[in-house]
Amino acid sequence: KAGVTQTPRYLIKTRGQQVTLSCSPISGHRSVSWYQQTPGQGLQFLFEYFSETQRNKGNFPGRFSGRQFSNSRSEMNVSTLELGDSALYLCASSLGSIYNEQFFGPGTRLTVL
Amino acid sequence: DAKTTQPNSMESNEEEPVHLPCNHSTISGTDYIHWYRQLPSQGPEYVIHGLTSNVNNRMASLAIAEDRKSSTLILHRATLRDAAVYYCILRGGGSNYKLTFGKGTLLTVNP
Repeated sequence: KAGVTQTPRYLIKTRGQQVTLSCSPISGHRSVSWYQQTPGQGLQFLFEYFSETQRNKGNFPGRFSGRQFSNSRSEMNVSTLELGDSALYLCASSLGSIYNEQFFGPGTRLTVL
Repeated sequence: DAKTTQPNSMESNEEEPVHLPCNHSTISGTDYIHWYRQLPSQGPEYVIHGLTSNVNNRMASLAIAEDRKSSTLILHRATLRDAAVYYCILRGGGSNYKLTFGKGTLLTVNP
């Protein structure tokens, strides 16, 4: 079956702009999680959505937001971009229990100039 | 979240077994031990998880100490494709749906 897909794969923005990233989970998966990966901070959890509701949130400022649609596809939005937001943004889908493995997409590489 | 400690890096030779250790002395009774790995330029992928008993799957084995304060991921015959960063993660009960990644262990496999 098809894996997790993320679009776009690469993105270049300038400071102050906003960006929307998209994630399509594996068919049948109702949970989508977002992570940020940077060389300095490693992999950090942003938030998790299950059946269109945010179920868990990491320690990121309110500029980072997300949503999930009824087909389980998810988007994350970053407003007023800062240089430090340059990172690889990873999306993971799962069936939704804490015992279920998470399947990661290839990520979106965001560069903020 | 309970913390895990892993060596920063390890090296192995191809076709030899690899034992990747993880310490988790503050693990609680409901915490599962999960292992993920991240190959270069890819997102992380699930390897294995367990609670108390040792676990095997097609990718690896997980040996859990009797007191559960440590565990070891075992790759029975390392290949070059196993070169990756390996993360040991605790996932507990309640509402802990997130994965809390540490720095992991960078495994280098020599031909």
